[in-house]
Amino acid sequence: GQQVMQIPQYQHVQEGEDFTTYCNSSTTLSNIQWYKQRPGGHPVFLIQLVKSGEVKKQKRLTFQFGEAKKNSSLHITATQTTDVGTYFCAGPGGRTGTASKLTFGTGTRLQVTL
Amino acid sequence: SAVISQKPSRDICQRGTSLTIQCQVDSQVTMMFWYRQQPGQSLTLIATANQGSEATYESGFVIDKFPISRPNLTFSTLTVSNMSPEDSSIYLCSGRGLANTGELFFGEGSRLTVL
Repeated sequence: GQQVMQIPQYQHVQEGEDFTTYCNSSTTLSNIQWYKQRPGGHPVFLIQLVKSGEVKKQKRLTFQFGEAKKNSSLHITATQTTDVGTYFCAGPGGRTGTASKLTFGTGTRLQVTL
Repeated sequence: SAVISQKPSRDICQRGTSLTIQCQVDSQVTMMFWYRQQPGQSLTLIATANQGSEATYESGFVIDKFPISRPNLTFSTLTVSNMSPEDSSIYLCSGRGLANTGELFFGEGSRLTVL
């Protein structure tokens, strides 16, 4: 079945440092979404990328979708303590592979200290 | 955006018992899903809750263990049957809005501990 892997599994940075998480799918994706889950919270949607090579920015966050539509990245510039949490990528999938379901990546947990 | 309410938020259950989790959405959603998340792990899709018909289960999940109902567009239940300690997890309800932007909204989750 479809697999979505993320690296690194965990990263600890000092406030102000940059952070990047990489997402790799075993299959080509029609789109990719990113979610953030704060400790003790539930996943919250950040963004969706659809086009090959697409780059989108949200303030200090930059999202990129690979040319082959099998990988994606999230880069945070100058991290802040409010960035703490686990970042998940997610692509259409599930047992029947229908676009309506999402398969979540393994996640990258980000810890930021002062 | 949709607001999804789940209850209970947490529970401690005895082995062999069953527990039903309720999920209420404040607006109509096209699709509803149930996920399981072990502490520190990713989300695993259990099933798609279909309105008025049997849920569609993912590999490794069966109706006898996780019966799901969705009597209308805004409400669904997930029952965890004959629980064992391996069922201890967070169960999350989610929905996709009518705008079909692809975004999933999640409930706060139900943390189950089975003794």
